[in-house]
Amino acid sequence: NAGVMQNPRHLVRRRGQEARLRCSPMKGHSHVYWYRQLPEEGLKFMVYLQKENIIDESGMPKERFSAEFPKEGPSILRIQQVVRGDSAAYFCASSPGDYTGELFFGEGSRLTVL
Amino acid sequence: GESVGLHLPTLSVQEGDNSIINCAYSNSASDYFIWYKQESGKGPQFIIDIRSNMDKRQGQRVTVLLNKTVKHLSLQIAATQPGDSAVYFCAENINAGKSTFGDGTTLTVKP
Repeated sequence: NAGVMQNPRHLVRRRGQEARLRCSPMKGHSHVYWYRQLPEEGLKFMVYLQKENIIDESGMPKERFSAEFPKEGPSILRIQQVVRGDSAAYFCASSPGDYTGELFFGEGSRLTVL
Repeated sequence: GESVGLHLPTLSVQEGDNSIINCAYSNSASDYFIWYKQESGKGPQFIIDIRSNMDKRQGQRVTVLLNKTVKHLSLQIAATQPGDSAVYFCAENINAGKSTFGDGTTLTVKP
């Protein structure tokens, strides 16, 4: 059983470029969550999505960041015009349906902005 | 060994000793709590959970205690092993949806 798949695992971008991070949830999971983790810090919630819907984006920066979870295909976290402060590990997690339970995390995508 | 205070960043214990990792959560309305383990370079992994109608739950070598009066959660690891070395996070939930994570405690097990 494949777990949550994230790619790329490592991404290097120059300031001003765009970063796209992809997340395929576990089979049968319809809820996706994105978290950001700075070095030596905890995970900060960014956005919670179901298929074709954003449920909670209270942790998303107002500008340059967007997320989607289309009917077909992976969830995408998009960061436009990246700055050095965007350098972090971005983790995706999934859960099945309306469910208060554990989150299943991917291995993360590590973004480095030069 | 035991971490004290709100979020002591590191805890070092001898192999075979018991470990206690503490967490203060923020929202009295939280009804579900989870402990995760994160090894270096990896994503967090579920360890154990507890609902707000309970005050104790046991798993294999791990026990979670919940004190709602003071909004405090603890993770006890029995007979700590080198493979337990990792960062441990508590997380709180309200009515499903997102989990809010604490800052984490780094556990180091000395052989």
